[in-house]
Amino acid sequence: DVKVTQSSRYLVKRTGEKVFLECVQDMDHENMFWYRQDPGLGLRLIYFSYDVKMKEKGDIPEGYSVSREKKERFSLILESASTNQTSMYLCASTEGRRPKNIQYFGAGTRLSVL
Amino acid sequence: SQQGEEDPQALSIQEGENATMNCSYKTSINNLQWYRQNSGRGLVHLILIRSNEREKHSGRLRVTLDTSKKSSSLLITASRAADTASYFCATDPISGSARQLTFGSGTQLTVLP
Repeated sequence: DVKVTQSSRYLVKRTGEKVFLECVQDMDHENMFWYRQDPGLGLRLIYFSYDVKMKEKGDIPEGYSVSREKKERFSLILESASTNQTSMYLCASTEGRRPKNIQYFGAGTRLSVL
Repeated sequence: SQQGEEDPQALSIQEGENATMNCSYKTSINNLQWYRQNSGRGLVHLILIRSNEREKHSGRLRVTLDTSKKSSSLLITASRAADTASYFCATDPISGSARQLTFGSGTQLTVLP
């Protein structure tokens, strides 16, 4: 079974702090994603990566950056956390080849910025 | 941007009843997928239906796809309290790279014991 592991289930940070959210997958998937999920807004794509050191902006990249130094690890960085970044963050990975372009998700990190 | 839109936003039924959720989308697709999310957890893939398929079954799940209407439905038969979760459709657009899916905003299903 594919396993996607997010480093923290819950995080509480202060405004202005630099925050790192880590995600590791064990299936050698090329593609990894960071989403945020807010009530009533569904999943919104922040960034994705289709290869080591490659990244592309999603729908809401402002205030975030990412790092992919190794194939299995994809990090989301909040350079200076703000209260409007309080949310559930979900990492996912996929082989990305049809028809099996199923996405596998981590358990999520609930981030509160105070 | 969100292409799939689920309907209804929330659904409450009694255990043993069937639950039907609908998804509408805007552009042509390669496949459509349904995911489930238990409260406070990540999404789990349930079923994938390709654009040339009309119906697919998996256990108590039945998915239909009508590409002419750009819509899909997910039927859960003989529901259980453990089916309580949010259900999302996700589309793989023909114009896309296959890497990305577009998720809807979900249907919150509550199954009352």
